Amino acid sequence: QVTLKESGPVLVKPTETLTLTCTVSGFSLSNARMGVSWIRQPPGKALEWLAHIFSNDEKSYSTSLKSRLTISKDTSKSQVVLTMTNMDPVDTATYYCARRTIYYGSGEGAFDIWGQGTMVTVSS
Amino acid sequence: DIQMTQSPSTLSASVGDRVTITCRASQSISSWLAWYQQKPGKAPKLLIYKASSLESGVPSRFSGSGSGTEFTLTISSLQPDDFATYYCQQYNSYSGFTFGPGTKVDIK
Repeated sequence: QVTLKESGPVLVKPTETLTLTCTVSGFSLSNARMGVSWIRQPPGKALEWLAHIFSNDEKSYSTSLKSRLTISKDTSKSQVVLTMTNMDPVDTATYYCARRTIYYGSGEGAFDIWGQGTMVTVSS
Repeated sequence: DIQMTQSPSTLSASVGDRVTITCRASQSISSWLAWYQQKPGKAPKLLIYKASSLESGVPSRFSGSGSGTEFTLTISSLQPDDFATYYCQQYNSYSGFTFGPGTKVDIK
């Protein structure tokens, strides 16, 4: 069974750095067809893609947040880590990680498995 | 960056209705378009990928079409379990993975 689970602080203060961990099971982060993204959703608002790490360790970031984000992975631990610097109350959201599977012969793929999400509140 | 728009933002419908949601990309994305369903308090669920391919386990009343910049999600006969918010997403590795703003389908 494939699962992803997000973990991290529930509450962070403004200006602090947020570190979130996505622990995956049922697949390997070294699988050439699989990558992991982070997505967030402020309360009552739309989904916003943040960052993606490919199987070959290449990274891709949202243009608007690129300066604040770092994504990395530890394949041996089956974990993908996202750090976001200089947190602000507008960053209050549920943060999801999701697996992206490349479809055979296409080189592209959608997000087929999602974690349950973790709510992060930014407040002093 | 590729921008995604959806219309309508809210749709009121009854059980049994045929429902269509439109998604537009600011530039051509070929068929690299997915649709997700999200219910309150839950993670999104993949329904359609590559514009028209049905994800395994998704009921056949859901269908997708389109290519280039204009796409549609159709629910042929709305069921009680389908009242939710639907998001489109473009997934081109070179352009990020942008989501649309969502369409909420509620009870008429």
